[in-house]
Amino acid sequence: DSGVTQTPKHLITATGQRVTLRCSPRSGDLSVYWYQQSLDQGLQFLIQYYNGEERAKGNILERFSAQQFPDLHSELNLSSLELGDSALYFCASSPVGRRDTPGETQYFGPGTRLLVL
Amino acid sequence: DQQVKQNSPSLSVQEGRISILNCDYTNSMFDYFLWYKKYPAEGPTFLISISSIKDKNEDGRFTVFLNKSAKHLSLHIVPSQPGDSAVYFCAASDGAGNMLTFGGGTRLMVKP
Repeated sequence: DSGVTQTPKHLITATGQRVTLRCSPRSGDLSVYWYQQSLDQGLQFLIQYYNGEERAKGNILERFSAQQFPDLHSELNLSSLELGDSALYFCASSPVGRRDTPGETQYFGPGTRLLVL
Repeated sequence: DQQVKQNSPSLSVQEGRISILNCDYTNSMFDYFLWYKKYPAEGPTFLISISSIKDKNEDGRFTVFLNKSAKHLSLHIVPSQPGDSAVYFCAASDGAGNMLTFGGGTRLMVKP
């Protein structure tokens, strides 16, 4: 158990709909990262939040957005869903996220499996 | 442009023998490297990491080697056990708190 929790575990929805995925980081971790794993692709970085502020963006679609709340949990919002959005979505957290410190490990949650029909 | 590559999609090893998983990278700014183990429909589980100031890091049966000049790292598992059967991902970052760039994964099968 990494200490990172994600809900829901599974989500089935239709094209055009909007869903919200939730992540609670490990206790004390300030940084939250979202990754997507599609069938034909590896793990791709989407977006990072640090202590409530957006820190970095990867190849995240404009239809997707995220936020981190004062209690440090994060939500990933996916809208106008398309068939190609079906994937595993993982949240990870790390303690500090400061760029002037040595590399740090990210711990992953169990993921949310999204199926768009 | 794949900055982290795992060229072997699968590897089969006999129980008790050594498993060697390889990873190559192209971005010279990467300074922290990690290996994760992943089962289907589960999140990646952290195994071991190494920073660019070291060339070896050991943790029990797992050892990671880093060759910066060749931009190559490898994970050695000795002895291999059937429970080690999973997909292994290498990942790299270019600074603390920065995103991880993942390789495509290698599926390890350890046969009893």
